[in-house]
Amino acid sequence: DAMVIQNPRYQVTQFGKPVTLSCSQTLNHNVMYWYQQKSSQAPKLLFHYYDKDFNNEADTPDNFQSRRPNTSFCFLDIRSPGLGDAAMYLCATSRDLGEGSNQPQHFGDGTRLSIL
Amino acid sequence: GEDVEQSLFLSVREGDSSVINCTYTDSSSTYLYWYKQEPGAGLQLLTYIFSNMDMKQDQRLTVLLNKKDKHLSLRIADTQTGDSAIYFCAEVGDYKLSFGAGTTVTVRA
Repeated sequence: DAMVIQNPRYQVTQFGKPVTLSCSQTLNHNVMYWYQQKSSQAPKLLFHYYDKDFNNEADTPDNFQSRRPNTSFCFLDIRSPGLGDAAMYLCATSRDLGEGSNQPQHFGDGTRLSIL
Repeated sequence: GEDVEQSLFLSVREGDSSVINCTYTDSSSTYLYWYKQEPGAGLQLLTYIFSNMDMKQDQRLTVLLNKKDKHLSLRIADTQTGDSAIYFCAEVGDYKLSFGAGTTVTVRA
């Protein structure tokens, strides 16, 4: 059974039209992450939540926001998508943060976002 | 750990062994991971190794770690068509995974 679930699998939006991607988890993990993965590239971390504590990566554009209303759900909001935001967006969870102990990240299947 | 490097492509005949190599930079990394990504899917955790180990075997998978040279490898024995995918090695520092660019493994009949 899928433990990190992303909906939808494919999302099409128009240039400049806000879009929200969702992620849910059944693992009861403390940490949820959002990654952006462009074609033939490694995933790039956008931000993560440790419980309710939000941590933004320094180079994440302001256009990208996130919400975590409860332990199970986390949303990625793109306020004004540009053509360069077309990518696969991956959600991941871990029980806790790395910091020397084994806290592997578990990924969902991703949402592929297309911009018209 | 900012620069994790991998070769980009590997072609292997079905039934042969595959060896995917990776070099990492952060000598303080405590765990190193291998993830597999099939087309259109997310990343699946394949295996990991703790930095005080030099080898870990898990069924068809063998991970070798040379900490002195910061070199990690993944060997897949008896490679099958279902092993065709992109393989990412990753090191963890604090909370953040640093991924290599991924090695695309193609299995030919």
